[in-house]
Amino acid sequence: SQQGEEDPQALSIQEGENATMNCSYKTSINNLQWYRQNSGRGLVHLILIRSNEREKHSGRLRVTLDTSKKSSSLLITASRAADTASYFCAAGQGAQKLVFGQGTRLTINP
Amino acid sequence: SQTIHQWPATLVQPVGSPLSLECTVEGTSNPNLYWYRQAAGRGLQLLFYSVGIGQISSEVPQNLSASRPQDRQFILSSKKLLLSDSGFYLCAWTPRDKPTDTQYFGPGTRLTVL
Repeated sequence: SQQGEEDPQALSIQEGENATMNCSYKTSINNLQWYRQNSGRGLVHLILIRSNEREKHSGRLRVTLDTSKKSSSLLITASRAADTASYFCAAGQGAQKLVFGQGTRLTINP
Repeated sequence: SQTIHQWPATLVQPVGSPLSLECTVEGTSNPNLYWYRQAAGRGLQLLFYSVGIGQISSEVPQNLSASRPQDRQFILSSKKLLLSDSGFYLCAWTPRDKPTDTQYFGPGTRLTVL
């Protein structure tokens, strides 16, 4: 079964606002990753946070990880229309694979 | 640099017909390879993964099969398609020594079974 569960399923905000998406998972992980998917396209890796890290930044992205709560959040600051996409978290387990969540559909209104 | 190709980009097939989707990776050796399916508006479901030539792990029982005839080639097949096989099929790869790190995705194949 899918481990990563994103919340909310859909989010609509105004350009310039911050967008926060959350992800929960069920078992122990090596890392937690976030991907972005533009409509009808493949996924693009955004950021990876390892299980021994609590926060990571990359440009306008900030990811936090709370292993005690088995949860992660992705914050996009100063959103732009081009940030409109679906965002997925993926849990890196001990085996040879990632487990993806159902995604959050983010719409940035100009 | 590494690139990953998938073809065809779109496919419309009748129920009961066979299927062959191909994925190739360039610029790397011994990659781990993955096939995912994505239903409309949903997340990714891992179908198969491979850690080497001829080595296939199946994640869910289904109407599909996978093969890896060459190191950088991964093929998804079906003998008889079902309506429920419709979806967006994505291939991905990771370096052999980092199987749970970043996955690099191809552009996908949109399959419609009528």
